Amino acid sequence: RKEVEQDPGPFNVPEGATVAFNCTYSNSASQSFFWYRQDCRKEPKLLMSVYSSGNEDGRFTAQLNRASQYISLLIRDSKLSDSATYLCVVNALYNFNKFYFGSGTKLNVKP
Amino acid sequence: DAGVIQSPRHEVTEMGQEVTLRCKPISGHNSLFWYRQTMMRGLELLIYFNNNVPIDDSGMPEDRFSAKMPNASFSTLKIQPSEPRDSAVYFCASQRDEADTQYFGPGTRLTVL
Repeated sequence: RKEVEQDPGPFNVPEGATVAFNCTYSNSASQSFFWYRQDCRKEPKLLMSVYSSGNEDGRFTAQLNRASQYISLLIRDSKLSDSATYLCVVNALYNFNKFYFGSGTKLNVKP
Repeated sequence: DAGVIQSPRHEVTEMGQEVTLRCKPISGHNSLFWYRQTMMRGLELLIYFNNNVPIDDSGMPEDRFSAKMPNASFSTLKIQPSEPRDSAVYFCASQRDEADTQYFGPGTRLTVL
């Protein structure tokens, strides 16, 4: 079983739409959680950390549900520039500080 | 501040040749990671250094791969001999402290013919 699982998509949405991605993780001892964004042929870049109480950064909202072991990312009022692959990341401090990356969810925002 | 620096950005080589990838982490970061990314397998951790010491190399595919970190500002990943199946994008990332985020370099796109 993979440490982190994501729906690969693609999610094709019109500009202005609200879109949500979910991600599940397998180990309940996981301690830190992140969403990264990766543009085509570029490196992954941190989008936002995910805190237990949930957190928001502009149009982006991240939530963590430890009981069900899933993380979500909500994008409101999507822009063309949001088109990218979104990677769910879990930090396994219990296992040599490894970062487990999901395979990514591809988002295409259309005009 | 400069981010993680990798060189070369692109490398095309022939099967059997030695390939050396280089990475300069962000100054003050204590941990360094080498990853490989392919369409089929996604992002895979190859090796992780903390304070220049290799902590986990369980992701290194085989003896053809080796990595060193002689000081806090430089690391290399070497493939000898290279094979076509090594073709991938190799990323280096650095991290200030455990549980902190990782910052990725721009990657080296390796093609082995």
